[in-house]
Amino acid sequence: GAGVSQSPSNKVTEKGKDVELRCDPISGHTALYWYRQSLGQGLEFLIYFQGNSAPDKSGLPSDRFSAERTGGSVSTLTIQRTQQEDSAVYLCASTPGLAGTDTQYFGPGTRLTVL
Amino acid sequence: GENVEQHPSTLSVQEGDSAVIKCTYSDSASNYFPWYKQELGKGPQLIIDIRSNVGEKKDQRIAVTLNKTAKHFSLHITETQPEDSAVYFCAASRRNYQLIWGAGTKLIIKP
Repeated sequence: GAGVSQSPSNKVTEKGKDVELRCDPISGHTALYWYRQSLGQGLEFLIYFQGNSAPDKSGLPSDRFSAERTGGSVSTLTIQRTQQEDSAVYLCASTPGLAGTDTQYFGPGTRLTVL
Repeated sequence: GENVEQHPSTLSVQEGDSAVIKCTYSDSASNYFPWYKQELGKGPQLIIDIRSNVGEKKDQRIAVTLNKTAKHFSLHITETQPEDSAVYFCAASRRNYQLIWGAGTKLIIKP
C-alpha cells in the first residue's frame, strides 16, 4: 500500500529565500509529525498535528518555521528567510494513534541545503 | 530536560556475531521504548518496541530488554547479516504523544 510521501526529495536554496516542504501521510492516520535530522544526529521533534490542530509547536526552532495541515491529510512545513543552519533532512511521519504509544511511519525525507 | 543517551555511536561486528546497542533514559514517566532502523536515504522504520510492563521481547533474531529501575534498555541482534548494516535509533516516550530519540548507532557488518 501507499506509504508516507514527501516532496521535494532534495531542495537547494539560497540564504534568505523561503521554502515549502510537503508531506502526504498514510490515509486515515490522524497524527502527523515533523522532525529535523542533522548529519549524523538523532531526530529533533519540530511539531505534531492531531487532525488539523497542532497541540505542540514547542519544537519549532524559531518564528521563521511554521506548519499547517489541511483536511486532516497533507501538511506543509514552511521555512522563511532560510539560514545555513537550516540545512538538514526534514522527515515527516504519520501515526494511527500517537507517537508515544504507537508505530510511526516515516517518509523518505527532504534534504534541504541552504547555500 | 528529558534525554536519551545511546551507545556506542558506531559498532562494527563480524557477520554471524551478535550486536548489542544500549540506551539510557531520564524520564521516569516514559513507558514506551521503540527501536527504529534507518537505511541510507530512507526514513526510519520500526523494528521492535517494548512497553514498561514487559522486561524482554523477542522477534526472530532481534530482542529488546528493559530495566525500568536502572532506566536502561538494549537492542540485541543475533546472527548478524549484511542487511543488518544501518543506523539504529532508540527512543523513549515523553507524555503520550512524543518520542525522545537517541543519537543513533551506525552498525557495520563485516563479511
